[in-house]
Amino acid sequence: QQQVKQSPQSLIVQKGGISIINCAYENTAFDYFPWYQQFPGKGPALLIAIRPDVSEKKEGRFTISFNKSAKQFSLHIMDSQPGDSATYFCAAETIGGYQKVTFGTGTKLQVIP
Amino acid sequence: DSGVTQTPKHLITATGQRVTLRCSPRSGDLSVYWYQQSLDQGLQFLIQYYNGEERAKGNILERFSAQQFPDLHSELNLSSLELGDSALYFCASSASTGMGGYTFGSGTRLTVV
Repeated sequence: QQQVKQSPQSLIVQKGGISIINCAYENTAFDYFPWYQQFPGKGPALLIAIRPDVSEKKEGRFTISFNKSAKQFSLHIMDSQPGDSATYFCAAETIGGYQKVTFGTGTKLQVIP
Repeated sequence: DSGVTQTPKHLITATGQRVTLRCSPRSGDLSVYWYQQSLDQGLQFLIQYYNGEERAKGNILERFSAQQFPDLHSELNLSSLELGDSALYFCASSASTGMGGYTFGSGTRLTVV
């Protein structure tokens, strides 16, 4: 119930291409779905997040697509750049009271020139 | 600077020893979370504190313990250290209610030799 399944484990994309990372969840109580970006040796940083009342959120080159009925959400990175090379974690949480985030297993993205 | 401060940044110690990792959450955040990340692995949730009280436990070994003090800083104590405890240890904090997402510190890299 608490798992968040993330795929693929690793991804290689050419510069200028589209990177797509997918996540699926089971617990319908989740009401906040953030994505974190982590560079080697650094802490994860909140990149973009979505609530389940919208189907898409876009911030610059980063877009979250959310399918509530399928309990799936994905991160799209348009015009991928070498500087986007990092590990990306999807997550799900229930806001209110105290929140505990359930993280996906991470996707290591490499953008090659 | 994320606002979450972790010290020390690096720690090298011998097997069997005990160490203490420290975390100061972002100003105003009442919740503190500890995560362990081994090389190229995901984020393993250890423990959560909310305003001084333990709220949730994850895969935390009995050799590990934590606490959150009245000033809201937190300490993670690791004892009887083993080679396998070598990892990055992250602290994250979050606002009390209404806002999703964590703010992570830059981590403490623990090397057990």
